[in-house]
Amino acid sequence: TQLLEQSPQFLSIQEGENLTVYCNSSSVFSSLQWYRQEPGEGPVLLVTVVTGGEVKKLKRLTFQFGDARKDSSLHITAAQPGDTGLYLCADEGAQKLVFGQGTRLTINP
Amino acid sequence: EAGVTQSPTHLIKTRGQQATLRCSPISGHTSVYWYQQALGLGLQFLLWYDEGEERNRGNFPPRFSGRQFPNYSSELNVNALELEDSALYLCASSFGNSGANVLTFGAGSRLTVL
Repeated sequence: TQLLEQSPQFLSIQEGENLTVYCNSSSVFSSLQWYRQEPGEGPVLLVTVVTGGEVKKLKRLTFQFGDARKDSSLHITAAQPGDTGLYLCADEGAQKLVFGQGTRLTINP
Repeated sequence: EAGVTQSPTHLIKTRGQQATLRCSPISGHTSVYWYQQALGLGLQFLLWYDEGEERNRGNFPPRFSGRQFPNYSSELNVNALELEDSALYLCASSFGNSGANVLTFGAGSRLTVL
């Protein structure tokens, strides 16, 4: 059974700071998806990465996929209060998405 | 275009009762997935329905069951409720049956078992 570990579990920083959160898998990812979930809402897909070494940017968010396709990172530059939420990584495995437990990010004004 | 809608938003039950949660997928989506999000445990896969058939099931006891209707809406039933069933139940839909694809989630139904 694949296990996805996300770190840190909780992160609270001030507005304007940079941060990186991580996702590591016990096995090679089929394809990796990052979601953000805001309070009272369901997760919303941010990005999908497929190729080892791939880097994708979404405004202030930079997603990296490890060369061996077993790890990924999400870097946020100049964090804003609107970035607050639960960040989840997920592997598109056979017939279901397997999620990590998430990183709960709080950006303080 | 309407997103994935779930009802009820909140539900309070007592131990031993039954709960029924409902989900309407995005128009044109044929697959519906159910996930349980308990506090601090991330999303745990429950069930996947496509074209009215159960395609895959997570590691949950048989008292968790569901079905998908001809209009692709779905319901999740939880029998003999236990305290640890308290969680946010998320429904997601996707187009096609080749796997997880890209899921669009609803806002969830929060079940509290007292």
